[in-house]
Amino acid sequence: DTAVSQTPKYLVTQMGNDKSIKCEQNLGHDTMYWYKQDSKKFLKIMFSYNNKELIINETVPNRFSPKSPDKAHLNLHINSLELGDSAVYFCASSRLGLAGEQYFGPGTRLTVT
Amino acid sequence: DAKTTQPPSMDCAEGRAANLPCNHSTISGNEYVYWYRQIHSQGPQYIIHGLKNNETNEMASLIITEDRKSSTLILPHATLRDTAVYYCIVRVGGSGGYQKVTFGIGTKLQVIP
Repeated sequence: DTAVSQTPKYLVTQMGNDKSIKCEQNLGHDTMYWYKQDSKKFLKIMFSYNNKELIINETVPNRFSPKSPDKAHLNLHINSLELGDSAVYFCASSRLGLAGEQYFGPGTRLTVT
Repeated sequence: DAKTTQPPSMDCAEGRAANLPCNHSTISGNEYVYWYRQIHSQGPQYIIHGLKNNETNEMASLIITEDRKSSTLILPHATLRDTAVYYCIVRVGGSGGYQKVTFGIGTKLQVIP
């Protein structure tokens, strides 16, 4: 059983398009996160949700909109994609109060052409 | 969160112990030391964490100096599958699920056959 899953694994799209990445966790965790890892391998947090409530929004453009339909899912919708959005996006989850112990998904490699 | 300093890269012979150092001289009394690793093309993986006592689990051991200004992650018998980037992170632990985990550059460990 996959603890944290993401779909799709690869996403190639053109500039200006809108795309979504889905994330699901079956660990029963209350907190979920989105991270971006750029070509230089820096891993930066984008968002954190706790029980469907947005907790952290790290200076991410408004084109990025996370949505949490329930505490097991946190999807990332990106509008008007730009070249600079090309990166690997990771979803993660943790138990409430244990943000130091996060479990990551396999990542979604987004390529914008 | 306290800043950490790690060597950018290390080599280790297969079957030998890999000792990965981390300096965190500005660590506060309520901050824990966490270790993650990221194997190529995979999501980061939580390894272990500790406050001041040494810790051991099925993956690794964590040795924290008495003054807590540095720590060492030990992989007792490194295998080729341990080749990865290892991140040392210092952050407030326990309750505080809203707090983010900040990843630095880490140490790239290469296990050599």
